[in-house]
Amino acid sequence: NAGVTQTPKFRVLKTGQSMTLLCAQDMNHEYMYWYRQDPGMGLRLIHYSVGEGTTAKGEVPDGYNVSRLKKQNFLLGLESAAPSQTSVYFCASSIQGYEQYFGPGTRLTVT
Amino acid sequence: GIQVEQSPPDLILQEGANSTLRCNFSDSVNNLQWFHQNPWGQLINLFYIPSGTKQNGRLSATTVATERYSLLYISSSQTTDSGVYFCAVERYNTDKLIFGTGTRLQVFP
Repeated sequence: NAGVTQTPKFRVLKTGQSMTLLCAQDMNHEYMYWYRQDPGMGLRLIHYSVGEGTTAKGEVPDGYNVSRLKKQNFLLGLESAAPSQTSVYFCASSIQGYEQYFGPGTRLTVT
Repeated sequence: GIQVEQSPPDLILQEGANSTLRCNFSDSVNNLQWFHQNPWGQLINLFYIPSGTKQNGRLSATTVATERYSLLYISSSQTTDSGVYFCAVERYNTDKLIFGTGTRLQVFP
C-alpha cells in the first residue's frame, strides 16, 4: 500500500518550458488535491477534483491546468513555466470531508 | 474567505517539556485537521477533529467549534517532534481545506 505518490521528486525548468506532475493514490479516494507551498507559508490549494472526470479551481489556479482521467491519478500541468511558480508542490487525497493524506512533494525550480 | 491564525509562530523547547499550540478560525467549519511537517518536508495527518477531544499517545487535540478555536497539546516533547504544525479548516460544503501559516517547533536535547 503505497498511499500517495508523486513524480518527479525534483525538477528544474527554464522559463517558458512546460511539464506535468503526476500524482497517484491507491486508497480508492474520490477526492484529490494539488497544493503549493512557498517558504514560510502554509499550503495553498491550486486545483482539486471530487471524482474521476471532474476538476475545480482552488485559491491559486492561474498558470496551471489539471486532469483526472482515472480515479487514481491526478495530473498537474504547467504550460509555460514562470519563476513565480518555483515552489514545492504537494498532492493529497481523501474521502469527502475527512482526513487528507499527502504525497512526499515535488520541488520545482524555474530559472 | 475564512481566516486561520496559528499561535505562537515559533516555539523552542527542551526535551521533556509540554506545549500548547492554538488555531483560531473566523467562520463555522465542518472539518478541522492538524498536520505535522517534519524537517524533511513530509506532511503527516495528526488529527481529524471538527469538534471534541482526541488523544494519540503524547499528542492530544481539542476543538471548541462554537468558539472557533482548536488546541494541540504536545506532552513530554521529543526531538522528533520538531517541525512545523499546521491547522487546516474547511467551511461547510466548500470541499477546500484552508491552511494556517503554521507553528514552527524546535525541540532540543
